[in-house]
Amino acid sequence: AQTVTQSQPEMSVQEAETVTLSCTYDTSENNYYLFWYKQPPSRQMILVIRQEAYKQQNATENRFSVNFQKAAKSFSLKISDSQLGDTAMYFCAFPDTGNQFYFGTGTSLTVIP
Amino acid sequence: DTEVTQTPKHLVMGMTNKKSLKCEQHMGHRAMYWYKQKAKKPPELMFVYSYEKLSINESVPSRFSPECPNSSLLNLHLHALQPEDSALYLCASSPELGQMFYEQYFGPGTRLTVT
Repeated sequence: AQTVTQSQPEMSVQEAETVTLSCTYDTSENNYYLFWYKQPPSRQMILVIRQEAYKQQNATENRFSVNFQKAAKSFSLKISDSQLGDTAMYFCAFPDTGNQFYFGTGTSLTVIP
Repeated sequence: DTEVTQTPKHLVMGMTNKKSLKCEQHMGHRAMYWYKQKAKKPPELMFVYSYEKLSINESVPSRFSPECPNSSLLNLHLHALQPEDSALYLCASSPELGQMFYEQYFGPGTRLTVT
């Protein structure tokens, strides 16, 4: 089974600043995908960004980008120009070949005005 | 339409009650999931349906009974629950099982309280 680790249970960042959330994983697969999901308080979980392991280029979606280090099995999420609406739980997720998701323990991010 | 809907939003039930949670999607997805989530914790997989057949049961107690009447609808029947079953129950869907690149689309959840 795959394992996914998020070592930062809680983080905070000043509005407009940049913050990086870390995620490490363990797998014997060579080709796979990694996801970051966001779950705002009392709101729906939504996909933030997706990375394909065989792509060298780090994925970017507007203010969100990843730093993917395949050899180190590291998949961190960088949020630039943090906004109040970024306050949420963030989960790193790793799907196995059956598309069963393995979630990290989550990081609770608070953006401070 | 990229929406997964769940009803009810909130449910309070006694330990002897029988109730059902409902999940619906109209994206043509053939895989549907039930998760249980405690506060500040990741979702825990309970059941997976693929093409309306139960594919995965993560050793869930029999007081939880899933049902997939058709490709758009997923139910979770609840009976004789315990207070520790109080949680947020999430439904999700994805186009198919067996394809790692597919994201899962989540519903807003049903907040269940067992008294």
